[in-house]
Amino acid sequence: NAGVMQNPRHLVRRRGQEARLRCSPMKGHSHVYWYRQLPEEGLKFMVYLQKENIIDESGMPKERFSAEFPKEGPSILRIQQVVRGDSAAYFCASSPRGRGLNEQFFGPGTRLTVL
Amino acid sequence: SQQGEEDPQALSIQEGENATMNCSYKTSINNLQWYRQNSGRGLVHLILIRSNEREKHSGRLRVTLDTSKKSSSLLITASRAADTASYFCATDEVSNSGYALNFGKGTSLLVTP
Repeated sequence: NAGVMQNPRHLVRRRGQEARLRCSPMKGHSHVYWYRQLPEEGLKFMVYLQKENIIDESGMPKERFSAEFPKEGPSILRIQQVVRGDSAAYFCASSPRGRGLNEQFFGPGTRLTVL
Repeated sequence: SQQGEEDPQALSIQEGENATMNCSYKTSINNLQWYRQNSGRGLVHLILIRSNEREKHSGRLRVTLDTSKKSSSLLITASRAADTASYFCATDEVSNSGYALNFGKGTSLLVTP
């Protein structure tokens, strides 16, 4: 059973460009979470999705950031008009069920560098 | 908001010694989880302890949870150089409507041969 897949592993963008980060959850997992990690920091929750639904986006910046988890295909975290402050590692996690037994399995992350 | 706070921020020990890391949190939780992160890599889930559990073991790992003190500890016995990593606690809050985990800043563990 393959783990959580993320691609690309490294992404370099210039200011003003768009960044698209992809996440394929583990087989059988319908819950996807996106987190951001700044250097020397812990992970900060961004958004929680189930198939075709955004359940909780309380950690998402109000502008430029969006996420989706379509019926078919991976979950996408999209950052428009990137700025240097968006440089971070972005991790996706998935779980087979929700609260109470909420073990989350993490992907290897996408390291975004904005020049 | 950041929930878990690990202590110490950094720990350096020799192989064979035990390593103890602590985590404190502020609100009521459903469970608490410990993760390991090697430099530049993703997180690896180590252990989950539910709010009604007090102690849990997994191999060389021992986790305790004291809900009255809102704290948890992770003990790694007979440490190895391969245990060198950052260790994070993460809490699943009772009041959390979004099922997200709240992570602390982590403890950086260095095990020297």
